[in-house]
Amino acid sequence: NAGVTQTPKFQVLKTGQSMTLQCAQDMNHEYMSWYRQDPGMGLRLIHYSVGAGITDQGEVPNGYNVSRSTTEDFPLRLLSAAPSQTSVYFCASSVQDRGTGNTIYFGEGSWLTVV
Amino acid sequence: KQEVTQIPAALSVPEGENLVLNCSFTDSAIYNLQWFRQDPGKGLTSLLLIQSSQREQTSGRLNASLDKSSGRSTLYIAASQPGDSATYLCAVRPGTGANSKLTFGKGITLSVRP
Repeated sequence: NAGVTQTPKFQVLKTGQSMTLQCAQDMNHEYMSWYRQDPGMGLRLIHYSVGAGITDQGEVPNGYNVSRSTTEDFPLRLLSAAPSQTSVYFCASSVQDRGTGNTIYFGEGSWLTVV
Repeated sequence: KQEVTQIPAALSVPEGENLVLNCSFTDSAIYNLQWFRQDPGKGLTSLLLIQSSQREQTSGRLNASLDKSSGRSTLYIAASQPGDSATYLCAVRPGTGANSKLTFGKGITLSVRP
């Protein structure tokens, strides 16, 4: 049981380049989300999805796109990378967005540097 | 807007000490509160989840308490070990129960000295 898998682990991008961070979960979770973690800022929600075909914006969505074509996968796309997007990105999933005792599971993170 | 505060930001204790990590939140209308552990270079691992109707949860040497009315939770670690060194974060889910509205504290970085 792999849980939440993120790739790549590390990536360096040049300003203006685009890339996709991959996230996959094998727990049949409906809810998936992307966070970024920055020093002094804590974890901030970028986008989330409550099921295949449904996505919504979180607290800091600008500069990022997501899609959810399958239950398992929730890729995060950086359209035109900027140095301000240098961060650690975490994908997370849970059985549902709402409901009793919904533990949220995190991937191991993707370290992105934009130069 | 919910705000979650964890003070101090860092803590260093000798091995064997019992310790308490604090988490405070401004809006008491919560669904549940969760404590996580984050090791360097890793993701967050859930330690304990306390529903709003509960007062505490225990797992091994860890005990988490919740006082909703005062907006406080504590994570008690008994007989601390060097392997407990990590960052501990608390997260609050609002009364609607939505994961998408989780609010995280910034974490307490714990160092347990041998």
